[in-house]
Amino acid sequence: DVKVTQSSRYLVKRTGEKVFLECVQDMDHENMFWYRQDPGLGLRLIYFSYDVKMKEKGDIPEGYSVSREKKERFSLILESASTNQTSMYLCASRGTGLEKLFFGSGTQLSVL
Amino acid sequence: AQSVTQPDIHITVSEGASLELRCNYSYGATPYLFWYVQSPGQGLQLLLKYFSGDTLVQGIKGFEAEFKRSQSSFNLRKPSVHWSDAAEYFCAVGLFSGGYNKLIFGAGTRLAVHP
Repeated sequence: DVKVTQSSRYLVKRTGEKVFLECVQDMDHENMFWYRQDPGLGLRLIYFSYDVKMKEKGDIPEGYSVSREKKERFSLILESASTNQTSMYLCASRGTGLEKLFFGSGTQLSVL
Repeated sequence: AQSVTQPDIHITVSEGASLELRCNYSYGATPYLFWYVQSPGQGLQLLLKYFSGDTLVQGIKGFEAEFKRSQSSFNLRKPSVHWSDAAEYFCAVGLFSGGYNKLIFGAGTRLAVHP
């Protein structure tokens, strides 16, 4: 089975800190995604990447950046964390086309 | 703009009862439709998908969904719910945007199952 691993299950950071959320997949997938999940809002796409060093903005990219230096790893960066970025962050990967997404277990980030 | 609406935020059913979770989408072209389930503390898992062909699709765990173009709906059903089905369910539409494929998710429906 495909495995998508997110480095932290829970994370607590302070306002203004730079935060790195790491995601690794083991199936050589081209496409990787970062979503945030908030109650009543479902999943909203922050950024996605379709190849190494390539990235595209999703629906809510403000306050975030990403890095994809290797095919298996996709990092989400909060340049200066704010309290409104407290959320569950989900990483996902997918092969070509519209095959199913494989999700990690999520990182619950709290910004105090 | 493309969107997915799940009208029910919370649903409670008794174990053994039938279940229907509603999903409506807004998309100009033929949609690619998905249902995902998220158990507590877990990521999302694909239940089923519709790309084309038979409008009634079967998924894992005894779930099925029916695509109705005239109603822009893709409702999820299960004839007899088990306690382990308690989870959050997300409907999603796949679309091509700017040359790339991405999913738009609904807000989710949280299912509680009474014994």
